[in-house]
Amino acid sequence: DAKTTQPPSMDCAEGRAANLPCNHSTISGNEYVYWYRQIHSQGPQYIIHGLKNNETNEMASLIITEDRKSSTLILPHATLRDTAVYYCIVRPASGTYKYIFGTGTRLKVLA
Amino acid sequence: ETGVTQTPRHLVMGMTNKKSLKCEQHLGHNAMYWYKQSAKKPLELMFVYSLEERVENNSVPSRFSPECPNSSHLFLHLHTLQPEDSALYLCASSQDRPASYNEQFFGPGTRLTVL
Repeated sequence: DAKTTQPPSMDCAEGRAANLPCNHSTISGNEYVYWYRQIHSQGPQYIIHGLKNNETNEMASLIITEDRKSSTLILPHATLRDTAVYYCIVRPASGTYKYIFGTGTRLKVLA
Repeated sequence: ETGVTQTPRHLVMGMTNKKSLKCEQHLGHNAMYWYKQSAKKPLELMFVYSLEERVENNSVPSRFSPECPNSSHLFLHLHTLQPEDSALYLCASSQDRPASYNEQFFGPGTRLTVL
């Protein structure tokens, strides 16, 4: 079973920031938080990952709470092409090959 | 383009057919994966190969048979499938490094329909 909980769906206006929450209250100290997204009928695409600190790359920002029990993926200026299912995954850095994908959040960016 | 290609992109087969799915990665990675994604269900990990050796086999029926002849190629051989095996089959690769994150790169998938 997935170790994360995400809302099933969200809407966001084009050009606005999309904030996607994820709860991972049972996360262990050696587990990273990963975010992937899957655009309709394509393979998942890596977005960002983090352990403790907030992270930012060209696609998104990841905010992890101090207790690490939840995180938020931020798409700063959502476009129509960001419409996808977003998956939050927790997994250790080593010792397993498994990514356990849950059902994710279906983000719809509205024109 | 992610550097992971899959062929064919679409496949329709009867229950008595034998077919194979092919995956090729051009990223120099040392681990490759097969996932199954059925309609309205999460991705399910099927098989993992690391350094061309199978390291995970998640209770997959024997009608699915993987093959990894080298670190760049992965096959999924299919025989006597059932209609419920219709799904999107995804291949992924990663660079397996100890004590480090290993981002997975996914191919576009093969949409399989079993009649």
